[in-house]
Amino acid sequence: DAKTTQPTSMDCAEGRAANLPCNHSTISGNEYVYWYRQIHSQGPQYIIHGLKNNETNEMASLIITEDRKSSTLILPHATLRDTAVYYCIVKGMGDYKLSFGAGTTVTVRA
Amino acid sequence: EAGVAQSPRYKIIEKRQSVAFWCNPISGHATLYWYQQILGQGPKLLIQFQNNGVVDDSQLPKDRFSAERLKGVDSTLKIQPAKLEDSAVYLCASSLVRTGTEPQYFGPGTRLTVL
Repeated sequence: DAKTTQPTSMDCAEGRAANLPCNHSTISGNEYVYWYRQIHSQGPQYIIHGLKNNETNEMASLIITEDRKSSTLILPHATLRDTAVYYCIVKGMGDYKLSFGAGTTVTVRA
Repeated sequence: EAGVAQSPRYKIIEKRQSVAFWCNPISGHATLYWYQQILGQGPKLLIQFQNNGVVDDSQLPKDRFSAERLKGVDSTLKIQPAKLEDSAVYLCASSLVRTGTEPQYFGPGTRLTVL
């Protein structure tokens, strides 16, 4: 029951911005978009979440389209330590379960 | 702020043996989750607690898996007897309960290998 579609993999250059797309065309009005990442041999790490407005924190920015059918996670200055699997997850307010798909394997290259 | 703690980090057992994992959530987090992550896949929820009550254990293989959260803080997940297909990373996560949008914070996981 995957609610999101992400590219399987992507490469980006160290020091450049990394733009990670996610499609969630069936998102409903009370569902939020969450991003997590999982660095090799670690637990998933929360990055950011949003409903409809763009969000920014110390790790990343989240841009959600006006129709909310897609979003982009932006890592402003990618470093080698950002190499990880990035998961885009849609979850309703009050829902508890995070449904992880396959995610996007991001490799940052020097 | 201390994160979610889990132990052990690694465990190797033979099939049909028993094993237990321990989790200490972030202080003040009422909700605790156990996930199973098989190699190459995303984590899958096994059970969710709110305080010391079970909210959802529909994906927990109850013939061999059990979990408890006594006193609403620490939790243990047990497998008895283990099967080869239980080889996976077992992740514990916790979250606050306020608006229903609070993120979950994960521990480092316990990597279980069943031989």
